[in-house]
Amino acid sequence: GAGVSQSPRYKVAKRGQDVALRCDPISGHVSLFWYQQALGQGPEFLTYFQNEAQLDKSGLPSDRFFAERPEGSVSTLKIQRTQQEDSAVYLCASSLPRTGVSSGNTIYFGEGSWLTVV
Amino acid sequence: GQQLNQSPQSMFIQEGEDVSMNCTSSSIFNTWLWYKQEPGEGPVLLIALYKAGELTSNGRLTAQFGITRKDSFLNISASIPSDVGIYFCAGHYNNNDMRFGAGTRLTVKP
Repeated sequence: GAGVSQSPRYKVAKRGQDVALRCDPISGHVSLFWYQQALGQGPEFLTYFQNEAQLDKSGLPSDRFFAERPEGSVSTLKIQRTQQEDSAVYLCASSLPRTGVSSGNTIYFGEGSWLTVV
Repeated sequence: GQQLNQSPQSMFIQEGEDVSMNCTSSSIFNTWLWYKQEPGEGPVLLIALYKAGELTSNGRLTAQFGITRKDSFLNISASIPSDVGIYFCAGHYNNNDMRFGAGTRLTVKP
């Protein structure tokens, strides 16, 4: 596709419900990132994939958060037993084959999935 | 948590004025980036800086990578109404983890 696509754009979940957020990166982009952005804050790193390998998950806030990218393209961020503090915008981003930003690649963000837990 | 201190938190300026915002960190970064985010959208990259001391321009935007590698500033000259949004600085280590500042919310009055 032309850009990073995320779905759903908006999700309201009852506390305790499981949610799944989908990210379609730009075609051909090897690197994929998930970020969490709370209201009024900057994005905070959650996890990073290179192809299907999850190379860094140090930012996942708890074991209720799980991300996968089984075929190296589409990724899903799953949150189990949602809590109110999980309410945030979840941003997905992708970049070209060379790893990371230090090599000069641009990281492109999707529009985000807005999660509200009630 | 975030390790970048971004200031100011918000700015209210008149159209045509120049704007300056900055980020500082207690840690050294290899790359500094500046993003703009508008309501309901994801961040869009404005300028990327890869070397200490580097000064880069993109139209009316100018950004510099501090010599100590612990700070960066972004200037916007002759602001226009469409400059409205939240500007984020981001720093990058050797891994793939980018750290973002809390943002500067810019309002431009016509």
